[in-house]
Amino acid sequence: EIVLTQSPGTLSLSPGERATLSCRASQSVSSSYLAWYQQKPGQAPRLLIYGASSRATGIPDRFSGSGSGTDFTLTISRLEPEDFAVYYCQQYGSPTWTFGQGTKVEIK
Amino acid sequence: QITLKESGPTLVKPTQTLTLTCTFSGFSLSTSGVGVGWIRQPPGKALEWLALIYWNDDKRYSPSLKSRLTITKDTSKNQVVLTMTNMDPVDTATYYCAHTVDYGEPFDYWGQGTLVTVSS
Repeated sequence: EIVLTQSPGTLSLSPGERATLSCRASQSVSSSYLAWYQQKPGQAPRLLIYGASSRATGIPDRFSGSGSGTDFTLTISRLEPEDFAVYYCQQYGSPTWTFGQGTKVEIK
Repeated sequence: QITLKESGPTLVKPTQTLTLTCTFSGFSLSTSGVGVGWIRQPPGKALEWLALIYWNDDKRYSPSLKSRLTITKDTSKNQVVLTMTNMDPVDTATYYCAHTVDYGEPFDYWGQGTLVTVSS
């Protein structure tokens, strides 16, 4: 089973600042089958990024994903008030899928 | 449009078997590539992938929970059912079902989730 480790656990930033979230896999993620989700309190997760770098439908271009192999990054270029949430990475390239433990982006 | 909704008991006793149903619309599980999965989230904790079933009855399970889980589909009813045996208080969580359009694609649509509490 591929273990995903996200860092940092919490990111304290102000609106307008740049957020950089990391997701590291215990082994190479096949074909960059790595997704990022955003989750707000009381809501289901929302798909942001798939294939490591492709934005899902309707996702603003301030969200971008990069990486391959075992190291992946989600960048939010300029934080908007609605971006403060928990972010999860997920790999779907192996027969059994896994999620990271999440990074909380909070208002500083 | 695609929608999914989870249903089942809100409270189960330890050692009991949990049965959850995901009822969906806007797609068919007889369409090539389509899959429906289950994910759970204990209060205040991270998401945990549980199981996935594809249109061709290909089934995948979390290795750590495989012995306790069964996923099935009823294409005619547009439903996917997850059963989890021998429930324990640590299984208290919100359980989500979600749609994937094909192999090599993530979950793009999610249900609202249902909270299941395990307590005597």
